[in-house]
Amino acid sequence: EAGVAQSPRYKIIEKRQSVAFWCNPISGHATLYWYQQILGQGPKLLIQFQNNGVVDDSQLPKDRFSAERLKGVDSTLKIQPAKLEDSAVYLCASSFWAGGPSGETQYFGPGTRLLVL
Amino acid sequence: AQKITQTQPGMFVQEKEAVTLDCTYDTSDQSYGLFWYKQPSSGEMIFLIYQGSYDEQNATEGRYSLNFQKARKSANLVISASQLGDSAMYFCAISAGGTSYGKLTFGQGTILTVHP
Repeated sequence: EAGVAQSPRYKIIEKRQSVAFWCNPISGHATLYWYQQILGQGPKLLIQFQNNGVVDDSQLPKDRFSAERLKGVDSTLKIQPAKLEDSAVYLCASSFWAGGPSGETQYFGPGTRLLVL
Repeated sequence: AQKITQTQPGMFVQEKEAVTLDCTYDTSDQSYGLFWYKQPSSGEMIFLIYQGSYDEQNATEGRYSLNFQKARKSANLVISASQLGDSAMYFCAISAGGTSYGKLTFGQGTILTVHP
């Protein structure tokens, strides 16, 4: 079974530029998550989708970050304009569903390392 | 709000020995899940083990076991017979209840170094 795919793996941009990341979850997984992991910290949830609807985007900086999940499969996370503090690893994860009260195991992709200069 | 505390920034262990990585949590939910992930230098988060809050027995997966003490709110990871490939960052995480089913809150992580 194929895992979570992400691209690109690395991206270097200058501040105020825009960037987009792509994620393809494990086939059949209804729930998709985007996390931001700053160096030396644990991942922090940015947004959670259930099928193509947003479940939680409370920690997404909506003035510059946007995300969509068309047709309930692939997802794109965009930053526009980027700031220096956006330098981080952006991890995409998916789970079969998230309806259970004890949570569902999330499987992560390899991540995209973003450096903003 | 949920919180995970990992008090060991770094741990060292000799190859073939056992090691315990500490994790304490705080939550107001009655039902929750606890997870451990491994993150090698390549960056991918690898799922290791899961414990549900109502599970009566401690979870085990091969060389990994979770020492779950609900009253103390601790969920320590035990790795038996350490291998050089176990050198990595390890994260403890807790899942949310309510309308944010599945949302994970992570700790700061513990760097494990296995010496030959």
